[in-house]
Amino acid sequence: VQLVESGGGLVKPGGSLRLSCAASGFTFSDYYMSWIRQAPGKGLECLSYINGKGTNIYYAESVKGRFTISRDNAKNSLHLHMNSLRAEDTAVYYCARDSGGAYAFDYWGQGTLVTASS
Amino acid sequence: QSALTQPASVSGSPGQSITISCTGTSSDVGFYNYVSWYQQHPGKAPKLMIYEVRNRPSGVSNRFSGSKSGNTASLTISGLQAEDEADYYCSSYTTSSSLYVFGTGSKVTVL
Repeated sequence: VQLVESGGGLVKPGGSLRLSCAASGFTFSDYYMSWIRQAPGKGLECLSYINGKGTNIYYAESVKGRFTISRDNAKNSLHLHMNSLRAEDTAVYYCARDSGGAYAFDYWGQGTLVTASS
Repeated sequence: QSALTQPASVSGSPGQSITISCTGTSSDVGFYNYVSWYQQHPGKAPKLMIYEVRNRPSGVSNRFSGSKSGNTASLTISGLQAEDEADYYCSSYTTSSSLYVFGTGSKVTVL
């Protein structure tokens, strides 16, 4: 199992960014996937998750209305579209696989850093 | 959704046992047996150590064990080793948002 995030970088407050996560080594469409972030020196925050078919989606209140999670099962990829970015969105963003029934994240990517700063 | 409460730091000498607590509410830790624990070394991604309160994934040392009583879950590390020095986070599924909530994190120091 491998998860590789990309798309992070420096963006001005109010700007947009699209993160991607390339998955391999498992049947991607069989698993819920999540985006989890960690601000510098801070703890973990689950932002959003999506079921295997893309029909059930949940968001944390902190990003609801600004961030959109999506997946492309044909390309084994997960995405996070981030709009109206704020300074407090600065963090390392991880994609993670939900273990499937155990309600835990059994595989994580290496993370991609998003910095929202002028 | 408020984070689960963990002690900021826990320490112990090599060979000793330590326990990290994780206190939530009746909407998360107390409601479900879906408590998990993660180990994170500096600059690295978190690693799953315990799921469903007390189950260890394949490859995780049996020195790590989990339990739960009411709204509080616990992670015990026995036979503490230098490599156990890391940050540890608990997590639980929650009814209040249908998402996962993480703990505030505990830094484990091996003296």
